[in-house]
Amino acid sequence: AQTVTQSQPEMSVQEAETVTLSCTYDTSESDYYLFWYKQPPSRQMILVIRQEAYKQQNATENRFSVNFQKAAKSFSLKISDSQLGDAAMYFCAYGSNTGTASKLTFGTGTRLQVTL
Amino acid sequence: DTEVTQTPKHLVMGMTNKKSLKCEQHMGHRAMYWYKQKAKKPPELMFVYSYEKLSINESVPSRFSPECPNSSLLNLHLHALQPEDSALYLCASSRSSGTGKSYEQYFGPGTRLTVT
Repeated sequence: AQTVTQSQPEMSVQEAETVTLSCTYDTSESDYYLFWYKQPPSRQMILVIRQEAYKQQNATENRFSVNFQKAAKSFSLKISDSQLGDAAMYFCAYGSNTGTASKLTFGTGTRLQVTL
Repeated sequence: DTEVTQTPKHLVMGMTNKKSLKCEQHMGHRAMYWYKQKAKKPPELMFVYSYEKLSINESVPSRFSPECPNSSLLNLHLHALQPEDSALYLCASSRSSGTGKSYEQYFGPGTRLTVT
């Protein structure tokens, strides 16, 4: 079974600064997917970024980028130029295929505060 | 359109009531999911439907009964719930693949359920 660990329950960043959220995972599979989801206080879970394990290039989406280290089983999220709207709970998730659907294993989450 | 809708937004029910949660997506996704989320915790997978057939039941008590009437709709029928079942219930959908891919899931805003 896969496990996902987020060791930072809470993080704080000043507006316009950069913050990195950590995530490690454990798996015996060679092909899998990794995701970061954001859940603001309004509660809707929003996909931030995805990484396919067979791709060496780190994924980027505007101000969001990942540092994917497959050998170390590490998948951190970097948020640049932080904005007040980035305040949320961030979940790292491991995705595996069940045959015809995907199954997500979530970490425990990191609550990000953005201060002025 | 990457929207998953859920109704109702809030639901209060007694332990003897029968109610249903509804989820709808129009993205052409053939995999749909129910999750339960307690406060400050990650979502816990309950059920997975693939091509309108139940493919995963994560040992959920029978007082929760899922139904997938067609490829766009997913229901969760509730009966004789307990106060500990109070939680946010999230629906999600994703593309379906038999090729080992694990596509990202798109989440609805959730139904906040309170059992009294």
